Amino acid sequence: QKEVEQNSGPLSVPEGAIASLNCTYSDRGSQSFFWYRQYSGKSPELIMFIYSNGDKEDGRFTAQLNKASQYVSLLIRDSQPSDSATYLCAAPRGNFGNEKLTFGTGTRLTIIP
Amino acid sequence: KAGVTQTPRYLIKTRGQQVTLSCSPISGHRSVSWYQQTPGQGLQFLFEYFSETQRNKGNFPGRFSGRQFSNSRSEMNVSTLELGDSALYLCASSAGTGGSSGNTIYFGEGSWLTVV
Repeated sequence: QKEVEQNSGPLSVPEGAIASLNCTYSDRGSQSFFWYRQYSGKSPELIMFIYSNGDKEDGRFTAQLNKASQYVSLLIRDSQPSDSATYLCAAPRGNFGNEKLTFGTGTRLTIIP
Repeated sequence: KAGVTQTPRYLIKTRGQQVTLSCSPISGHRSVSWYQQTPGQGLQFLFEYFSETQRNKGNFPGRFSGRQFSNSRSEMNVSTLELGDSALYLCASSAGTGGSSGNTIYFGEGSWLTVV
């Protein structure tokens, strides 16, 4: 089982709709989770991180974490064409203070105008 | 505050050669990680350096090596290049102190390596 798993997509969403991206992880000890966005030909950029069960909102983005189900998701409200990118989920592995981020393979999102 | 700087941005090498890539982390960050990204394999962790010591290592052959200097700048080296080493090599810096903030990594723009 991969440490961090994502549906590779592609996921197509109409403009203005909600895009839902999902990620599961295998290590119950993981405490925090990160979402990165990567445009084609560019490097990943941090969107947000979450470490508490429940929701965390930042503008049009909402991260949701369910540690019991080992599930983390990213919702993008009012999707825009500029949101078209690959979204990477990541979780740290290792002992506190000595972790490394392990990434999923990413979900390719396309917003259809 | 300057971001993560990687050089060179693009390079072409031939099989059997070696290459050195450089990374300057965000000021104050002591952890530098290197990742390889290819279309088929996604982002794969190479290694991480913290205060000049290799702290974590991925599953790459010994041809891949790195080091970190006292000013936190880092280099990675790939010897005896193979066609399969063609990839985007990403450097990322973080505080490296654990927790959500300490583990948040910021990527440089990457070095595109093509091996012919």
